[in-house]
Amino acid sequence: GESVGLHLPTLSVQEGDNSIINCAYSNSASDYFIWYKQESGKGPQFIIDIRSNMDKRQGQRVTVLLNKTVKHLSLQIAATQPGDSAVYFCAENKETSGSRLTFGEGTQLTVNP
Amino acid sequence: KAGVTQTPRYLIKTRGQQVTLSCSPISGHRSVSWYQQTPGQGLQFLFEYFSETQRNKGNFPGRFSGRQFSNSRSEMNVSTLELGDSALYLCASSLATRNTEAFFGQGTRLTVV
Repeated sequence: GESVGLHLPTLSVQEGDNSIINCAYSNSASDYFIWYKQESGKGPQFIIDIRSNMDKRQGQRVTVLLNKTVKHLSLQIAATQPGDSAVYFCAENKETSGSRLTFGEGTQLTVNP
Repeated sequence: KAGVTQTPRYLIKTRGQQVTLSCSPISGHRSVSWYQQTPGQGLQFLFEYFSETQRNKGNFPGRFSGRQFSNSRSEMNVSTLELGDSALYLCASSLATRNTEAFFGQGTRLTVV
């Protein structure tokens, strides 16, 4: 149930598996990279962010990895649950741009029981 | 603590008309951003207001405008509606010190016929 390296528009995993969602970003000058989750009928919800001078950050059941060499960002979700089913977006922010977020393509994660 | 409130939730307008959407941010949040979400273009930044001033603007025509009031509530206006303006319009608010953590409303679904 993992996808490594390549952005996929959809990802299907079994409940309890680990999920990896990938994103390629374009702006090397971005200061922050962020992951958002959007459930059906709702607005996006902040998950976790990482500053550009870091390569890894962990949260509750989630880990974000940043590879600046290849401009790649990934979100790892441990022990994926049905409630994790949603569309996941990566986003970029530059401090001089205030709260402006540049979103990437989303990945629809489906968790099968 | 109340979340971001957007009104109305749904709107149907005719080509050529104009529309005004409203957003009430989380109490204490002075930054309000607007995004357009469509299946084809994804999430695109429209503009950001901070302390009643437009701080950032995305790449949208002048038909799209906005404003922010002294209580941080914001409105966006679209004039001379086109079929392509049909989209989910999302408002997000954030603290000045946490630009990456935006809190989104549920959006206003605009349909232009």
